[in-house]
Amino acid sequence: DQQVKQNSPSLSVQEGRISILNCDYTNSMFDYFLWYKKYPAEGPTFLISISSIKDKNEDGRFTVFLNKSAKHLSLHIVPSQPGDSAVYFCAASENSGANNLFFGTGTRLTVIP
Amino acid sequence: NAGVTQTPKFRILKIGQSMTLQCAQDMNHNYMYWYRQDPGMGLKLIYYSVGAGITDKGEVPNGYNVSRSTTEDFPLRLELAAPSQTSVYFCASRKTPAGGTDTQYFGPGTRLTVL
Repeated sequence: DQQVKQNSPSLSVQEGRISILNCDYTNSMFDYFLWYKKYPAEGPTFLISISSIKDKNEDGRFTVFLNKSAKHLSLHIVPSQPGDSAVYFCAASENSGANNLFFGTGTRLTVIP
Repeated sequence: NAGVTQTPKFRILKIGQSMTLQCAQDMNHNYMYWYRQDPGMGLKLIYYSVGAGITDKGEVPNGYNVSRSTTEDFPLRLELAAPSQTSVYFCASRKTPAGGTDTQYFGPGTRLTVL
């Protein structure tokens, strides 16, 4: 049973435009959310996180928005760059120290030069 | 720092064979994890360890065993390989959380095929 869902398997965006990646979750106990980026033949690398006490967290070109009532979060990348082309995974846990991270299925972002 | 390293990168096993996937980290992290990623799916936690000598099951532990005799190493053992264990295996580690955000660092993965 997939508790974290990324319903768009792929997304293509022109360089310089905004990329918006979406994620939904079903478990109301989830309290901490992360985005990971993965290049081919590499492990995922941490990108940005957000705690449920916030509705927005920003780090440079990356912003994560959390809507707890809708059980939805999104990752905005502005402006998008060709180097951002990768698979993006959303993950959730019951707190920031929890050992069990639940991952979505990933969205492949392609930024077109 | 090499970070999290995994060996081998690729392996093909026959049904019923056994093997050990190696994982090592040089960041002095207490916590270590094993995940598997099946095609088109998210990562699922197999086992984790909060320190040397302490391990616990994750979401999908059946068919696997782990041990943690040192802080640096966390091997994953497959005793009787089955086609359902065909997957990419990722090892990860993180520091003991001290409040606030916490990050898992992942290795490059081992691609295992069981035929």
